[in-house]
Amino acid sequence: KNEVEQSPQNLTAQEGEFITINCSYSVGISALHWLQQHPGGGIVSLFMLSSGKKKHGRLIATINIQEKHSSLHITASHPRDSAVYICAVRTNTGNQFYFGTGTSLTVIP
Amino acid sequence: NAGVTQTPKFQVLKTGQSMTLQCAQDMNHNSMYWYRQDPGMGLRLIYYSASEGTTDKGEVPNGYNVSRLNKREFSLRLESAAPSQTSVYFCASRQAIYGYTFGSGTRLTVV
Repeated sequence: KNEVEQSPQNLTAQEGEFITINCSYSVGISALHWLQQHPGGGIVSLFMLSSGKKKHGRLIATINIQEKHSSLHITASHPRDSAVYICAVRTNTGNQFYFGTGTSLTVIP
Repeated sequence: NAGVTQTPKFQVLKTGQSMTLQCAQDMNHNSMYWYRQDPGMGLRLIYYSASEGTTDKGEVPNGYNVSRLNKREFSLRLESAAPSQTSVYFCASRQAIYGYTFGSGTRLTVV
C-alpha cells in the first residue's frame, strides 16, 4: 500500500512544452513537499504546500486538500529541468512522512 | 555555504563490518532525518530527531542506530552491515514552516 502515488512514472517532453506531474495521497496531511532529485543524486526542496498554490520561476505547485491531490507544473520546459520529481507528505498525526517513488522527467532539446 | 554536510559520499563494507555516517547542518534546524533510497522505492525514513536529545524510529529502523550529538549533528550507525543495507542514504534537516534541506547522499555497498 502506497500512501503517496505519483503519475506518470516517466515523462519525456520536448523543450518548451508545458509539463504536469501529479501526486495523490491517502492520508491526512499537514504539508506536502515537492522535491527535485538531480541526475547526480542531490535532492533539492522545491515547494512546501498546505493549501492553494505556489509559484517559483517557471514552476507552479497546487494542492487540493479535499481531493487529496497536488500537481507540479513546469512552464516552458528546458533540458536542465530533467530530473526526478518527488512528492512527499507529512501526516497531520504522528509526524510521519511518506514519499512517492518519483517521476523521471527528460526534456529533449 | 549553509546546508547539510554528509560524509562519506561513497563506502564499500564487508558483511558484518560497522560504520557511522555523519551528518551536520549549520542552519539551526531543529529536525533532522535519515532516509534510504532504493531503486523503485520512494525515500524511506530510517530514524528522525525532532529536536536535540530526542530520536524516534521511522519506517525501516532495523539494523541501524542514531545519535543526535547536538543540534548540528545527527549520525547513523550500522553495527553489523548486511547486503540488504546496500542503498543510498540521505540526511536531511527541516525547520517548522520551511522545506527540507538534503545532504548530497552516501552511496553504500555491502558485499
